Amino acid sequence: QITLKESGPALVRPTQTLTLTCTFSGFSLNTPGVGVGWIRQPPGKALEWLALIFSGDDKRYSPSLRSRLTITKDTSKNEVVLRMTNMGPGDTGTYFCAHRMFRESLFDYWGLGTLVTVSS
Amino acid sequence: DIQMTQSPSSVSASVGDRVTISCRASQAISTWLAWYQQKPGKAPQVLIYAASHLQSGVSSRFRGSGSGTHFTLTISSLQPEDFATYYCQQGDSFPWTFGQGTKVEIK
Repeated sequence: QITLKESGPALVRPTQTLTLTCTFSGFSLNTPGVGVGWIRQPPGKALEWLALIFSGDDKRYSPSLRSRLTITKDTSKNEVVLRMTNMGPGDTGTYFCAHRMFRESLFDYWGLGTLVTVSS
Repeated sequence: DIQMTQSPSSVSASVGDRVTISCRASQAISTWLAWYQQKPGKAPQVLIYAASHLQSGVSSRFRGSGSGTHFTLTISSLQPEDFATYYCQQGDSFPWTFGQGTKVEIK
């Protein structure tokens, strides 16, 4: 059974760096073709794809946020970490991590999400 | 980036109604399209992948069709648990992009 869970601060000050951790079980990021991604959703708005990391350490980022994002993995801990620098009020929202469906380009398992508020 | 445009933005329907949601891609994406359902306060759940393949465990009243730039999600007979927001997502090329969502509301 695949599960994912996001963790991180609920409140971030403007200009600070956000660090979110996705802890997963039921699969391994050592397995070829496996991927974990991050998606966010501002309150009342649509989903926005942020980043994706594959088992071979290939990484993909949203071009509009590329300069602010870093995605990394720790296969020994079954964790994927997303860092976003220079946070602003427009970054407020729920952040989800999700498992990429094998050989497909979508997410088939999602975490519950974690709400991040950017405010001074 | 490939832009995904859904229509309508919202639809009011009754239990038992047939509902159709459209999703258009700004360029051809073959069948690299998925549909998700999201209920308030919950994570999205995949309904359809590869444009027309029903995800395991999903009711057969959901049907996806289309290829290239035009896709459709049809709910054949709306049930109370289907009132939610639906998103399309393209996976043809990075960055993966989502539509703006279609909210299915109770009439």
